[in-house]
Amino acid sequence: QQPVQSPQAVILREGEDAVINCSSSKALYSVHWYRQKHGEAPVFLMILLKGGEQKGHEKISASFNEKKQQSSLYLTASQLSYSGTYFCGTHLADRGSTLGRLYFGRGTQLTVWP
Amino acid sequence: DGGITQSPKYLFRKEGQNVTLSCEQNLNHDAMYWYRQDPGQGLRLIYYSQIVNDFQKGDIAEGYSVSREKKESFPLTVTSAQKNPTAFYLCASSMGVRTEAFFGQGTRLTVV
Repeated sequence: QQPVQSPQAVILREGEDAVINCSSSKALYSVHWYRQKHGEAPVFLMILLKGGEQKGHEKISASFNEKKQQSSLYLTASQLSYSGTYFCGTHLADRGSTLGRLYFGRGTQLTVWP
Repeated sequence: DGGITQSPKYLFRKEGQNVTLSCEQNLNHDAMYWYRQDPGQGLRLIYYSQIVNDFQKGDIAEGYSVSREKKESFPLTVTSAQKNPTAFYLCASSMGVRTEAFFGQGTRLTVV
């Protein structure tokens, strides 16, 4: 039930842009994005809900294609502080046994160099 | 300040012993989750609970047990049946499917 993330790793220079993708084989109710620094707790970036509502970080944007069950996170003009592992999390739209479960992908490791 | 607290941060146990990881939140959240994190595996769901006295297995529940007797607390027991328990364990909570999850700082368990 884990969503699939791509790419696995990205290396950027400061100021460059990056896109991280997340896809699911099942219909989604919401998509979450988090960033984790090594050995720390994941930090919330953004949530995108079925129907178009989204809440989150001012400098980071994301899209959610409900029909394709895909989401993308857009990091523009990257800064050194953007380095870390990015995870997408998904709540399935299934009202059955998986209701309430929050699944995460394997992560995308982003490294920003000066 | 509201938040979610995991303790201890580091835990060492001998093989064959059960161990309980603590997770407490004062955010008044209904939903709580336990994840296991191994390098390259992402966050894998062990157990989750949507309400007091109710919890459901996640994808890797074998060798683990939980309880949810109070809204604030969701302890995880790693039993001797868990074949490879050494990992980083994260607890999270949320109001529901329309809101973000908040994570604790994690417990790194090492079994020797």
